[in-house]
Amino acid sequence: AQSVTQPDIHITVSEGASLELRCNYSYGATPYLFWYVQSPGQGLQLLLKYFSGDTLVQGIKGFEAEFKRSQSSFNLRKPSVHWSDAAEYFCAVGGREYGNKLVFGAGTILRVKS
Amino acid sequence: DAMVIQNPRYQVTQFGKPVTLSCSQTLNHNVMYWYQQKSSQAPKLLFHYYDKDFNNEADTPDNFQSRRPNTSFCFLDIRSPGLGDAAMYLCATSRLAQEQFFGPGTRLTVL
Repeated sequence: AQSVTQPDIHITVSEGASLELRCNYSYGATPYLFWYVQSPGQGLQLLLKYFSGDTLVQGIKGFEAEFKRSQSSFNLRKPSVHWSDAAEYFCAVGGREYGNKLVFGAGTILRVKS
Repeated sequence: DAMVIQNPRYQVTQFGKPVTLSCSQTLNHNVMYWYQQKSSQAPKLLFHYYDKDFNNEADTPDNFQSRRPNTSFCFLDIRSPGLGDAAMYLCATSRLAQEQFFGPGTRLTVL
């Protein structure tokens, strides 16, 4: 079955520290990969996407992600976290192999301590 | 700015009283989606439209229906809301197989 795993339900980092959120997907030779962020009571905002090409992609708000086909992973990174980054982060996989729908991971809640 | 708009942002209804949620878009995308999201969970796809072609997820309850009268608008109808239907409802749009753009959501409370 098609699935997306985000192994960390909660992560707490100090403001200014680096961040890495993990994401693994189970299926697809040519997946389309996404990271979304959701603040409480809000919709999802697209941080970045990968369709093809350079496996290191840059997104908004200083985030980047790296696609590693050999590991079926698409981990999200930020070199220095700001308090405003506290939110829930969802990894998602889509594309034609997924029926043009998105399969979401369970999400990772990021807490930032000052 | 091009965007996805959902109305109302908050909806309170009584058990069993029909309710309609609205979504509109200025992105001119051909695909529109409705998701249900419960607290601390990922969004769950209810159905989507590719142009006028309606696609229902296998596990979407019959209590949920949708209408898309034109490219810009899509409605979610809940015929007889139960307490278990209290959730955030998210509308999203996309071009086929591209990234989805989400609206701010409608928080539904069932009393």
